[in-house]
Amino acid sequence: EPEVTQTPSHQVTQMGQEVILRCVPISNHLYFYWYRQILGQKVEFLVSFYNNEISEKSEIFDDQFSVERPDGSNFTLKIRSTKLEDSAMYFCASKGGQANTGELFFGEGSRLTVL
Amino acid sequence: LAKTTQPISMDSYEGQEVNITCSHNNIATNDYITWYQQFPSQGPRFIIQGYKTKVTNEVASLFIPADRKSSTLSLPRVSLSDTAVYYCLVGVLSGGYNKLIFGAGTRLAVHP
Repeated sequence: EPEVTQTPSHQVTQMGQEVILRCVPISNHLYFYWYRQILGQKVEFLVSFYNNEISEKSEIFDDQFSVERPDGSNFTLKIRSTKLEDSAMYFCASKGGQANTGELFFGEGSRLTVL
Repeated sequence: LAKTTQPISMDSYEGQEVNITCSHNNIATNDYITWYQQFPSQGPRFIIQGYKTKVTNEVASLFIPADRKSSTLSLPRVSLSDTAVYYCLVGVLSGGYNKLIFGAGTRLAVHP
């Protein structure tokens, strides 16, 4: 069964460092998403991406965050200067081309620890 | 976006049917209702989606009354492996613009 893969599974970084989280969505999917989940809290929407541009973003997704689909297969989330409060599990998700479906396929997540 | 309200937690026993109800009083005409399941340290997994009346698939049923202000996820004959957090989401699903917002979810514990 096709799946969304994310790397790294766990990254530890120092505050102020740049971090890039990588995702390989399901190959024929068209819509891509990043969510995050702080330990013990709910899953929070960050950004959605379609046709090589951001469709929607939340208030969490400020100027420190950016997304890119550099080569037609990878979908990356960059945090320019990490803060302690960026420590969380980051989930990538993708969706096929069907208009009216809420079936997002999530990856296993990348755990980011900022020290 | 419609706000959802679910019980924080529920307990059940193996073999029982579990019904989790979600309230979404200000659901909009174009909103769909979607349920996800999440195990610890894993990404959420889609369970079922509906707009009105009843939807059934191989793992669950979703009951939506005529006014659509609530919905009930029904899990038949739960097992220990159904212990997870269940999220009810309400949102517009047109194309890619489905900014699905997760609430706090319902933590279901299934006991032997």
